[in-house]
Amino acid sequence: KAGVTQTPRYLIKTRGQQVTLSCSPISGHRSVSWYQQTPGQGLQFLFEYFSETQRNKGNFPGRFSGRQFSNSRSEMNVSTLELGDSALYLCASSLAREGAAGYTFGSGTRLTVV
Amino acid sequence: GQQLNQSPQSMFIQEGEDVSMNCTSSSIFNTWLWYKQDPGEGPVLLIALYKAGELTSNGRLTAQFGITRKDSFLNISASIPSDVGIYFCAGGLKTSYDKVIFGPGTSLSVIP
Repeated sequence: KAGVTQTPRYLIKTRGQQVTLSCSPISGHRSVSWYQQTPGQGLQFLFEYFSETQRNKGNFPGRFSGRQFSNSRSEMNVSTLELGDSALYLCASSLAREGAAGYTFGSGTRLTVV
Repeated sequence: GQQLNQSPQSMFIQEGEDVSMNCTSSSIFNTWLWYKQDPGEGPVLLIALYKAGELTSNGRLTAQFGITRKDSFLNISASIPSDVGIYFCAGGLKTSYDKVIFGPGTSLSVIP
């Protein structure tokens, strides 16, 4: 079966701009979680969506937002980009009943803010 | 809040050697998970542990869920070059949703 697809793979943006990242989960998976990965901070949880509803949210400023569509595809948006937002953004999908043990991660979007 | 510590932070070993790494926390978790991340890719689940004291193997990998539910161990036997990567532990909590905390990772390098 097709894996989790994240687009784009690489992105370079200028400070102050906004960016939208996309995640297509595995077919049938209704839960999508987003993580930010940086060398110093590891994997930091951003938010989780299930059936178009945000079910859980991490400790990130309001500039980070997301949404999920009826086909379970998810997008995350970062507004007013800062240099510190440079990171690998990972999306993971799962069947709701499997929870974290059923996470399948995408390859990520590498965002560089200059 | 909950936080996981992984040790060692990095390790360099000879091909064929066995590897041990661990994950500790001051908090109790219901689930322990071990993931491996190859360069340029997302983490991949290696082993999931669901009960205190549980010992589970996946090929050359063996992991254990600590009795206190505050720690977990991963062992890799007879390491090979493709074992290179970052190994993350993750603790899972069952609340109204599944909350997962990831450790900072252990970077493994294997010298042929």
